[in-house]
Amino acid sequence: EDKVVQSPLSLVVHEGDTVTLNCSYEVTNFRSLLWYKQEKKAPTFLFMLTSSGIEKKSGRLSSILDKKELSSILNITATQTGDSAIYLCAVVSNSGYALNFGKGTSLLVTP
Amino acid sequence: NAGVTQTPKFQVLKTGQSMTLQCAQDMNHNSMYWYRQDPGMGLRLIYYSASEGTTDKGEVPNGYNVSRLNKREFSLRLESAAPSQTSVYFCASSTGHGANYGYTFGSGTRLTVV
Repeated sequence: EDKVVQSPLSLVVHEGDTVTLNCSYEVTNFRSLLWYKQEKKAPTFLFMLTSSGIEKKSGRLSSILDKKELSSILNITATQTGDSAIYLCAVVSNSGYALNFGKGTSLLVTP
Repeated sequence: NAGVTQTPKFQVLKTGQSMTLQCAQDMNHNSMYWYRQDPGMGLRLIYYSASEGTTDKGEVPNGYNVSRLNKREFSLRLESAAPSQTSVYFCASSTGHGANYGYTFGSGTRLTVV
């Protein structure tokens, strides 16, 4: 059975801090790993990482896929209160396109 | 640009009642999905339809049925609602290619079973 584990489950930081969120997976026939941000509504897509694209960056956010360790990290530098959200990691296997989500990391950035 | 439309947005049911959650997409996507989200649990796949005419169980299918009515519409039915089905339900569709596999989520249905 496929498994996606995120850590920590919750995190409180001060504005300006840098945070690292972790995602590990056990998936048969791994295809890709996706990161989402969720703020009281539907998840918003951040990054997709595959064998051919193991590092992505967008502004203060970046993500790396470690295929050897079967894990990924999401880094957020110079955090802002607007970064407060649940961050979800999901994996996709070669058997289809259904997203298999982890439980998420709840991030709170305080002023 | 409607994307994925879910109805209703909110619903309160009594235990034992039935209801159907509706989902429609206007992006010509082949695949459609139903997820539920409970606090601290991420999103869990209930059922999915890889293409018109096919449906398959996901991680938590018990207590639910689905119908892929046509390429646009994918409904989720609760035959006899239970308090354990109190959750937020998200419908999604995807193309299976491109960034994010073209995944598009609906805005969600908040269901409470009392």
